Amino acid sequence: AQSVTQLGSHVSVSEGALVLLRCNYSSSVPPYLFWYVQYPNQGLQLLLKYTTGATLVKGINGFEAEFKKSETSFHLTKPSAHMSDAAEYFCAVTLGSGGSNYKLTFGKGTLLTVNP
Amino acid sequence: NAGVTQTPKFRILKIGQSMTLQCTQDMNHNYMYWYRQDPGMGLKLIYYSVGAGITDKGEVPNGYNVSRSTTEDFPLRLELAAPSQTSVYFCASSSTDRGQETQYFGPGTRLLVL
Repeated sequence: AQSVTQLGSHVSVSEGALVLLRCNYSSSVPPYLFWYVQYPNQGLQLLLKYTTGATLVKGINGFEAEFKKSETSFHLTKPSAHMSDAAEYFCAVTLGSGGSNYKLTFGKGTLLTVNP
Repeated sequence: NAGVTQTPKFRILKIGQSMTLQCTQDMNHNYMYWYRQDPGMGLKLIYYSVGAGITDKGEVPNGYNVSRSTTEDFPLRLELAAPSQTSVYFCASSSTDRGQETQYFGPGTRLLVL
């Protein structure tokens, strides 16, 4: 079974500062990893994903994440926060392609606040 | 493409009532999912379907039922609504094509059971 831990339910940064949202996973087989963003009163939208290949993945809105197998981590970063980045962010893991392995397991989410 | 659509957007139910949450996708995706989202708890999988006529339980299926008679539709049925079912419900779909594992989410249905 897989699991996801997001460290910090609430992260607050100043506009222009580095954004770092932490995600650690547990999986018995090579995982597929995802970051989703949820703006208020909306559904979830994919930011980026890692399946295979390059461990540094770039997503929309200037976000990127690095898959580190040795640390079982998939932290999300953005060099310079913008007010529009304020949202809730979810890390998720699945065991990969085929059958029920498409089921996502989500972390509890991290609410990002950006201060002017 | 509309993507994943859900109706209604918001509903208030009395304890013991029943209702169906509708979900439709127009992307010809094989897989469909129902999640519930509670504050501080992330998303929990209720039921999922790998194709028309095939459904299976997720992590929190009690009190819910689903059916999948077509590729496009995946309704979620609540029988005998309870306050514990107050939540935001999201439907999602994905493709089985390799490299297309992304799940696409609908806008959600907010349900309040009083």
